[in-house]
Amino acid sequence: QKEVEQDPGPLSVPEGAIVSLNCTYSNSAFQYFMWYRQYSRKGPELLMYTYSSGNKEDGRFTAQVDKSSKYISLFIRDSQPSDSATYLCAMMGSNYKLTFGKGTLLTVNP
Amino acid sequence: KAGVTQTPRYLIKTRGQQVTLSCSPISGHRSVSWYQQTPGQGLQFLFEYFSETQRNKGNFPGRFSGRQFSNSRSEMNVSTLELGDSALYLCASSPNPTSGQFYEQYFGPGTRLTVT
Repeated sequence: QKEVEQDPGPLSVPEGAIVSLNCTYSNSAFQYFMWYRQYSRKGPELLMYTYSSGNKEDGRFTAQVDKSSKYISLFIRDSQPSDSATYLCAMMGSNYKLTFGKGTLLTVNP
Repeated sequence: KAGVTQTPRYLIKTRGQQVTLSCSPISGHRSVSWYQQTPGQGLQFLFEYFSETQRNKGNFPGRFSGRQFSNSRSEMNVSTLELGDSALYLCASSPNPTSGQFYEQYFGPGTRLTVT
């Protein structure tokens, strides 16, 4: 079993839709939970992070962490064509080592 | 500030050859991490250097090695290339190498390596 599992999609939605992206993990030592966004031909960029369990909101983006279920989510409200990218979940414990999911390719159609 | 730069951007090599990739972190960042990205395996951690010392290593064979210089620039080397080494190699630097904020990684655009 891989430490981090992420459905690779692809996911295609109409503009304005609510998008839900998810990851599960098996390592209880993970404390920091991140979402990175990667546009085509670019390196990933940090979108959001959450420490331990709970929700965090930033504009149209909401990150949720449920440590009891070992499940994290990213919600995108009012999705825009500019949100079209690959979204990677990432997790880190106390060892300064990030473990990434495989990424979900999202396309938002105008 | 300039971002993370990686050279070369594209590279084509033949099986059995070796290759060296270079990464210049953002000014002031002392930690550099290397990742391999493939469609099948996603983004996999290779190793991380902090203050010229390898602090973490992923599950890759010894053919993959790296180093960091006193100016924080880093190189990674792959010897005896195999077809399966074809991938996008990404370098990332962190401004907070000794705190929980290490999750804040700034990635370069990557080097696309093709092994034929």
